[in-house]
Amino acid sequence: EAQVTQNPRYLITVTGKKLTVTCSQNMNHEYMSWYRQDPGLGLRQIYYSMNVEVTDKGDVPEGYKVSRKEKRNFPLILESPSPNQTSLYFCASNRGLLGTDTQYFGPGTRLTVL
Amino acid sequence: GESVGLHLPTLSVQEGDNSIINCAYSNSASDYFIWYKQESGKGPQFIIDIRSNMDKRQGQRVTVLLNKTVKHLSLQIAATQPGDSAVYFCARGSQGNLIFGKGTKLSVKP
Repeated sequence: EAQVTQNPRYLITVTGKKLTVTCSQNMNHEYMSWYRQDPGLGLRQIYYSMNVEVTDKGDVPEGYKVSRKEKRNFPLILESPSPNQTSLYFCASNRGLLGTDTQYFGPGTRLTVL
Repeated sequence: GESVGLHLPTLSVQEGDNSIINCAYSNSASDYFIWYKQESGKGPQFIIDIRSNMDKRQGQRVTVLLNKTVKHLSLQIAATQPGDSAVYFCARGSQGNLIFGKGTKLSVKP
């Protein structure tokens, strides 16, 4: 089954404790991206990757890191999480460039930073 | 600054009627526009996209219209069904960068 998976689905952590949210797709998609969703602010793009070893900042990259060492995985790293990073996070993938094909989203990761 | 906004935060329609969800944008430097649907408790779901050099694109029961003159985008849903109840987002993008609107909540009355 074609899908985007994220782990963990729920996470409660404390300020400053490094964490990684994994994202994996099994569709051999080139494009992957991360978003956060907050009430009243909607969805905002954090980072995106057009291919292996190619990553670019989205709208709100501060406090986040990503890596794309292989095509299927695109982890989101919070080196020193802060309470303002409490949010619902979504990973997504596309076969090609956005605007040319269907975009698939993962189920979301709800992160709480205390 | 650039933004993508919506005319109406909520829309209520009768089952079987057509729905029109609108979106305005302020920046013309977009390669494409995308509509998403998000049901309660779920992730966004891609509905349809349109390249900036197009005016209209149709899918199954959905049509997207792009008016670049007035910087306006709309999503038309034909014969709206209860399963169409959700929040709908528009987004504009260039290369891989994507900016979303806040969303319109569509409620379908039986």
